[in-house]
Amino acid sequence: DTEVTQTPKHLVMGMTNKKSLKCEQHMGHRAMYWYKQKAKKPPELMFVYSYEKLSINESVPSRFSPECPNSSLLNLHLHALQPEDSALYLCASSPDRLAKNIQYFGAGTRLSVL
Amino acid sequence: SQQGEEDPQALSIQEGENATMNCSYKTSINNLQWYRQNSGRGLVHLILIRSNEREKHSGRLRVTLDTSKKSSSLLITASRAADTASYFCATDYSGSARQLTFGSGTQLTVLP
Repeated sequence: DTEVTQTPKHLVMGMTNKKSLKCEQHMGHRAMYWYKQKAKKPPELMFVYSYEKLSINESVPSRFSPECPNSSLLNLHLHALQPEDSALYLCASSPDRLAKNIQYFGAGTRLSVL
Repeated sequence: SQQGEEDPQALSIQEGENATMNCSYKTSINNLQWYRQNSGRGLVHLILIRSNEREKHSGRLRVTLDTSKKSSSLLITASRAADTASYFCATDYSGSARQLTFGSGTQLTVLP
């Protein structure tokens, strides 16, 4: 199974809402990632979890709060978002081997903030 | 910014023709990867080339790496309409193997 599953596929939320994005993988990977991608732009790294611990936080605003409950699951909690946060949010995982770091991506959650 | 640049930004070719995309980056790398993204979908890994390799093949894909020029190229031979997608190079810098930095991307359109 080489699949990374993200839910929901689409999400529309108001600026006062609280919502969560979910990501799941069963490949035994020990590193998981959140990326943000705007239209016609490359993915931008937000967070990296390695062995269930946050190892990289790319100066992301606190209205985005990641959580890694176990090695297979990754959540991104959203609160008080701004319209400019509308984007495709991608989750990825990798074996976390230093020699090769091939990442496997989910299909993404298309987020619209009204 | 560590982000690499890709050119061209957009490329339109006929089915059966070859497509070449170029990527430049800024600092020493461990390896360089190429990913494909169909519209609004996740990225799919295509091929990885290590910093000590100069050329690699996988099916219809050929990747070259020139570390002296800090550049790479991806050649897709005998293109098909299904190859229509955005293509990104991604580098991980020495000492930061968990972090990929993606290039700006090339939008490839293959016309039937």
